[in-house]
Amino acid sequence: DAGVIQSPRHEVTEMGQEVTLRCKPISGHDYLFWYRQTMMRGLELLIYFNNNVPIDDSGMPEDRFSAKMPNASFSTLKIQPSEPRDSAVYFCASSYHTGVLRGYTFGSGTRLTVV
Amino acid sequence: DAKTTQPPSMDCAEGRAANLPCNHSTISGNEYVYWYRQIHSQGPQYIIHGLKNNETNEMASLIITEDRKSSTLILPHATLRDTAVYYCIVTNDYKLSFGAGTTVTVRA
Repeated sequence: DAGVIQSPRHEVTEMGQEVTLRCKPISGHDYLFWYRQTMMRGLELLIYFNNNVPIDDSGMPEDRFSAKMPNASFSTLKIQPSEPRDSAVYFCASSYHTGVLRGYTFGSGTRLTVV
Repeated sequence: DAKTTQPPSMDCAEGRAANLPCNHSTISGNEYVYWYRQIHSQGPQYIIHGLKNNETNEMASLIITEDRKSSTLILPHATLRDTAVYYCIVTNDYKLSFGAGTTVTVRA
């Protein structure tokens, strides 16, 4: 298995532009998580899905952020419009549940820079 | 989720065992203890988890005290590649909340 695949690895965009981050979870995993990491705030959970359905989006900072999971093998995190304070590393992770949540597998992350 | 307390940093000699402590005095009966680590510029990596019993896998051992108020992650033979931030998390939920962790530096 190739693991959790995120794209792009790096993204530089201008303030006000739309940014779309992509994630392909591990096949067979029924949970998908989006995290954001900054020096100031550490790792923050933004949203998670179970069987493609958003379960908890309380960590999404504001309406400029949206996430979708149209099928079991693909998810997107969109920021529109982007702002410099959105600069961070965004991680996607997937896992599965067998009575207890198994360990997450994280992707390599997307480093977003908004200028 | 119960909160955890970890030392901010620790050093370890290469080839020696690294013992990483974690306090979780307010843990509830159905909360698991998870350990992850994050090597610089990479995504976090799952290490191990447990509920009551001690656990061991190819990466590490997890020792949970009988009252479950604290635990220790043991890396049996630390290598330079084990230099990372180690996170101890307790939860009974489907989501993990990462704290500041312990920065472990393995020295030759």
